[in-house]
Parts: sequence; C-alpha cells; structure tokens
Amino acid sequence: EAGVAQSPRYKIIEKRQSVAFWCNPISGHATLYWYQQILGQGPKLLIQFQNNGVVDDSQLPKDRFSAERLKGVDSTLKIQPAKLEDSAVYLCASSVAYPEDGYTFGSGTRLTVV
Amino acid sequence: SQQGEEDPQALSIQEGENATMNCSYKTSINNLQWYRQNSGRGLVHLILIRSNEREKHSGRLRVTLDTSKKSSSLLITASRAADTASYFCATDLGSGNTGKLIFGQGTTLQVKP
Repeated sequence: EAGVAQSPRYKIIEKRQSVAFWCNPISGHATLYWYQQILGQGPKLLIQFQNNGVVDDSQLPKDRFSAERLKGVDSTLKIQPAKLEDSAVYLCASSVAYPEDGYTFGSGTRLTVV
Repeated sequence: SQQGEEDPQALSIQEGENATMNCSYKTSINNLQWYRQNSGRGLVHLILIRSNEREKHSGRLRVTLDTSKKSSSLLITASRAADTASYFCATDLGSGNTGKLIFGQGTTLQVKP
C-alpha cells in the first residue's frame, strides 16, 4: 500500500511570497488532515476534510491560509502572503480505519520563510 | 493550545534498558494515541488506548491510561538504538471519535548503543 505523498519536500521563500503544498492521501482514505509542526513542538491541526468537505478549520488562519480538496482525493494547502512565523513542517495525514489504526502521515514539507 | 504534556521532555538511556514516557491531559477524552517521529520524517502510529481501557500491549510497547488522573504512560521495554525518536501522545476529545487529534509537545528519546 502506498503511503501519503507530499510535495515539495523542502521550500524556501521570502516573506510576503506565496507557497502551495500538495498532498495525495492513501487511496480510499476519506478523511484528510493538514497539521503544522513548528520546530520543537507537537503538530497542530489546521484543517480536517471528510471527502471534499471541510469538517474543522477552526485553527486555520484564514486571512492567509487556504486549503481545498477537490474531488475528495488530493489536497492543496496555500499560504499567501507568508510570514516568518509560518516556518514549520506541514504534515498531511489521512485515515480510514479510525480510531483503531490512527492516522497515516506523510513525510511533510519543510517550509523556511526568510 | 496543546492538550497533552509529555514528561520528560528528553530521555537518554542505554540499549537494553526500559524507557518510560508520561503524558498528562486536561479534558475528557475518547481515546489516547501514541506516535513516533524519526528525525525529518512524518509521525507513525504506535498504539491506541480507549477511555474505558486501562492497559494495552503491542510487542515491546505497554500503554497505561488513568482517566481519574488524566494521564497515560508509554513503556518501551528492552530498548534498541532504532527506538531513538520523538514520541507524542495525542488525544481525541469531544463526544464520539471525532478524528480530531490534539498532540502534546513530545518526548525526545535517545537510545545509546
């Protein structure tokens, strides 16, 4: 079974620029999550999708962050404009047999804003 | 805000020793999960314990849950160098299994060969 795919693996941008991250969950996983992990901290939930609908985006900074999951498969997370404090690893996860099997995470995208 | 707090923040042991990590949380939970994160990688699900369970085992892992104290512990027995990683507890809050996990700050474990 293929894992959760994320790209790019690394991204360096200047503040005020925009950036987009892509996630392809495991086939058949209806639930998809985006987490932000700042260095030295645990992951923080940004948004949860069920198929192509948003379940929870209460912690997504909507003035600069947006996410979509067209057709209930791939998802993109965008930041525009980026701030220095957005430097973090952005993790995508999906689940199907929750809670027994928990989440399956991708390797993440490490964003550095300079 | 973070729900879980792990203790200790960092742990260094010799190969073959046991490692114990603790997690405390603030509000009622449906289940509590433990994840491992190797450096530069995503998190890997290790084990889940439901709110009505007190102890679970999986291979060299043993998890306990004390809902009266709002705490959990993860024991790794006979540790190996490959166990070197960060370990996170995560709690599922609210009514029913929402799938919305709140992660703690993590414990960094170093196992010396």
